[in-house]
Amino acid sequence: QVQLQESGPGLVKSSETLFLTCNVSGGSISSGSYYWNWIRQPAGKGLEWIGRVYSSGSANYNPSLKSRVTILVDTSKDQFSLILGSMTAADTAVYYCARSPYPGWFDPWGQGTLVTVSS
Amino acid sequence: QSALTQPASVSGSPGQSITVSCAGTSSNIGGYNYVSWYQQFPGKAPKLIIYDVTKRPSGVSNRFSGSKSGNTASLTISGLQAEDEADYYCSSYADDSTWVFGGGTKLTVL
Repeated sequence: QVQLQESGPGLVKSSETLFLTCNVSGGSISSGSYYWNWIRQPAGKGLEWIGRVYSSGSANYNPSLKSRVTILVDTSKDQFSLILGSMTAADTAVYYCARSPYPGWFDPWGQGTLVTVSS
Repeated sequence: QSALTQPASVSGSPGQSITVSCAGTSSNIGGYNYVSWYQQFPGKAPKLIIYDVTKRPSGVSNRFSGSKSGNTASLTISGLQAEDEADYYCSSYADDSTWVFGGGTKLTVL
C-alpha cells in the first residue's frame, strides 16, 4: 500500500523560497501511470492544486502559481519535491502531496505539513 | 475564489438525504468526466469518496453517490449519519492539464 509523507521547514521568511519533499513508500514512484501532486490548503479555506510531475520529469502547474513553482522528481529516492519562490503571507497553508492516475483523482494523500510565512 | 462553486454549508437530520452541488464550466466539469469528491475531517487529510463522477473506491459506503449534468456535479449522501459530519470538496480535471477544486461544503448533521 503506497504511503506519502511530506517533509520540510515549518517556517519560511517572506520573499524566501520554500523547499518541500514528499517521500513515497510502499511502491516505486516510477511504477504505473501515476502523477505526483502538490496541493495546499490555507487555514479555514479550500484546497488549491499547485501542480504535478510524472516520473519522466514532465510537469504541469496551476497557472496562478506557474511563475513561482517548480516540481521535481527523484526516482532513485522515490521522492518528489516542491520549490515555491517569493513566498508571502498568502502562501501560509498546509501543503499536501498526493498521487493521481491519469487523468484521475487524488489518492492517497500525505498527512500534510504546515508552512508558515513570517515577515 | 475557487474555480468550482459549492454551497458553504448544508445540513440534514439523521436518516435523511442531502445533496452537495459543484458548479463549474465547460473548461472543467462540463468538458471532462473526471470529477472527484473528498471528505475531510478537522486536522486530517482529505479522503477520496467518489471518482470519475460516479465511482466509489473500495471501502466507501454506498450511501455516497455522485452524478453530473452539464457543468454541474453533485454528491448525494443518503441515510445521513452523525459520522458524515465533515467538509466535502469537489474537484475536476480541467483544460491545459490542470486540476481545480471547489471551495468546500461543511455538512452539519442535526
